[in-house]
Amino acid sequence: DTEVTQTPKHLVMGMTNKKSLKCEQHMGHRAMYWYKQKAKKPPELMFVYSYEKLSINESVPSRFSPECPNSSLLNLHLHALQPEDSALYLCASSQGVGANTEAFFGQGTRLTVV
Amino acid sequence: QQQVKQSPQSLIVQKGGISIINCAYENTAFDYFPWYQQFPGKGPALLIAIRPDVSEKKEGRFTISFNKSAKQFSLHIMDSQPGDSATYFCAARLTSNTGKLIFGQGTTLQVKP
Repeated sequence: DTEVTQTPKHLVMGMTNKKSLKCEQHMGHRAMYWYKQKAKKPPELMFVYSYEKLSINESVPSRFSPECPNSSLLNLHLHALQPEDSALYLCASSQGVGANTEAFFGQGTRLTVV
Repeated sequence: QQQVKQSPQSLIVQKGGISIINCAYENTAFDYFPWYQQFPGKGPALLIAIRPDVSEKKEGRFTISFNKSAKQFSLHIMDSQPGDSATYFCAARLTSNTGKLIFGQGTTLQVKP
């Protein structure tokens, strides 16, 4: 099973709302990632968690707040977003961050900020 | 420079033909080169991957060719089918034990029946 599950699939939120994106994997992977993908563009890395600790923040604005409650779950808390933050948000996981670690992506959450 | 350059941007192939997508990189600090296939509205799915100590890897109709000296790698899709119509991304992973993938800009493949 190489499944990474993301909820919700679609989300519309206002600029003053607070919402959260959720990601779950049961592959025993110890690294989890958030990517942002705009239309017709490649995924762009936002955050990396390794062994439940934040290891990379790609200079993401503080209105995006990641959280890794345990090794199977990854959340992305959203607050005061801008319309330009509308995108497909992808979660991925891998066994680790070193060699021999293939990354598997979820289906994404399509976020629209109005 | 942490870039991966991918070409062509779009590709139209007849059913049964060979689709070829090319990628090039400059930074030698990459240790793993996966290809992802993405259908509209879906997440990228890992298709096939190669490490730089291997020159070719084949899985079914999909083959990666890797030229370490030229810093180039390519995806060949043999006997292309309409169901292969999707966007393909090459990627490269940094050796810094960060898990960070650098993606190419993507190739939209259309296979005509």
